[in-house]
Amino acid sequence: NAGVTQTPKFQVLKTGQSMTLQCAQDMNHNSMYWYRQDPGMGLRLIYYSASEGTTDKGEVPNGYNVSRLNKREFSLRLESAAPSQTSVYFCASSEEIGTNQPQHFGDGTRLSIL
Amino acid sequence: AQKITQTQPGMFVQEKEAVTLDCTYDTSDQSYGLFWYKQPSSGEMIFLIYQGSYDEQNATEGRYSLNFQKARKSANLVISASQLGDSAMYFCATFSSNDYKLSFGAGTTVTVRA
Repeated sequence: NAGVTQTPKFQVLKTGQSMTLQCAQDMNHNSMYWYRQDPGMGLRLIYYSASEGTTDKGEVPNGYNVSRLNKREFSLRLESAAPSQTSVYFCASSEEIGTNQPQHFGDGTRLSIL
Repeated sequence: AQKITQTQPGMFVQEKEAVTLDCTYDTSDQSYGLFWYKQPSSGEMIFLIYQGSYDEQNATEGRYSLNFQKARKSANLVISASQLGDSAMYFCATFSSNDYKLSFGAGTTVTVRA
């Protein structure tokens, strides 16, 4: 019953350090997503991957890169972390990308940039 | 971009009573999906219920029902027979078929009192 698994759960970085957040799903879903959640706000889409081999920018992609390693895994990389990237990051997946597809979320990664 | 408005930042409800969470959305899409998610204090995002823009019947899932009024662009969540475990933040979201983006409202905090 793993669903969507994110690692790590918590991380503290110094400004300028790099970091990769890992995400894996075991539901055989085609589409995967990365969001960030800031206090008092809903989630905002960073990047998404409609299917294996494709990635596209979301609402707030600046400062991030992604890799869809295979059907199961979708990683998010911060090349040079900035304090503005302090947030909770969620990975999600759905069977397909579409208006009737609920997204299933991981437990989140709490990232602090000092 | 779609805009989701949740006007109630926080609500209190007595155990076993029903509570209605408001959500209005602004979209020019003809086809879209409406979703509600629950985020307990532990932080995970849990999918609750889905309504398609072309669905004529209101969606129901157990104690959750969605009061969908398309002309008013309203998709309120009703939780019946509230339980202490329903205390959480609740997010309304819509999926756009134009930009493949799930847009979230700012959320409503529900506190269930014994």
